[in-house]
Amino acid sequence: GAVVSQHPSWVICKSGTSVKIECRSLDFQATTMFWYRQFPKQSLMLMATSNEGSKATYEQGVEKDKFLINHASLTLSTLTVTSAHPEDSSFYICSARLGGTNNEQFFGPGTRLTVL
Amino acid sequence: GNSVTQMEGPVTLSEEAFLTINCTYTATGYPSLFWYVQYPGEGLQLLLKATKADDKGSNKGFEATYRKETTSFHLEKGSVQVSDSAVYFCALGGTSYGKLTFGQGTILTVHP
Repeated sequence: GAVVSQHPSWVICKSGTSVKIECRSLDFQATTMFWYRQFPKQSLMLMATSNEGSKATYEQGVEKDKFLINHASLTLSTLTVTSAHPEDSSFYICSARLGGTNNEQFFGPGTRLTVL
Repeated sequence: GNSVTQMEGPVTLSEEAFLTINCTYTATGYPSLFWYVQYPGEGLQLLLKATKADDKGSNKGFEATYRKETTSFHLEKGSVQVSDSAVYFCALGGTSYGKLTFGQGTILTVHP
C-alpha cells in the first residue's frame, strides 16, 4: 500500500526558533501533498496544499510567512514553522495524494510539536 | 462550500454492540466520501470509501453507503470490539486538487 512517513515524530523547541518537518511518500510519487494541523480532541484543519514545483496554496487565515512549505520533489514536502511560539504547539499531519481522478489521500503518522 | 457534519460524541458501547455514526454532507458536484480512523497516538488511516451514489464501502466489518438523496454516509458495524476504540472521521473529497473536508470526528470507546 501507499506509505507516507513524517520526520520527526515529535519535537520540542524553544520559543523563537524554527522547526522543519519532513513528509515523504515512500512508495509512490505524489504530485500533491497536504498539511494539516490537529488540535487536541478536534478535527483536522487544512493549512495548505502543496504541489510539486510550485508555490503552496494556503487556506484562509494561515500565515504563509510563518508556515513555509516546500515541495521540491515528487516524494518530499517540508513544513517549516518559523519563529515558533507556544501557540504553535500542535499535532501536524501531512498527507499525499495519488493523483488523477483518485481523491484518496494517504496520511503520515503526524509530528507532535511542543514550543516551550 | 463543502461541509461535513458528524454526530457528536463521545460514543461509548459495550463489546458486540451495534454501532452507527451519522455523517451528512453538503457539496457541489459529485464528491467521493471517506471514513478515516485514528487510533490513539497514530495518524489517520483510511477505513473505507465510496466514489459515487449508492456505492457501499466496507472494511473490517464496517460499512457505509453513499446516499445522495439524503446526502449521508453513515458508518455502521454490527458487532464492535474493544480494538475498535478510536476517533472516526467522515470526509468529503472535492475536485480541487482532491482536497478533503473533514467532519469534527467522533470518539468511540468500546468496553469489554
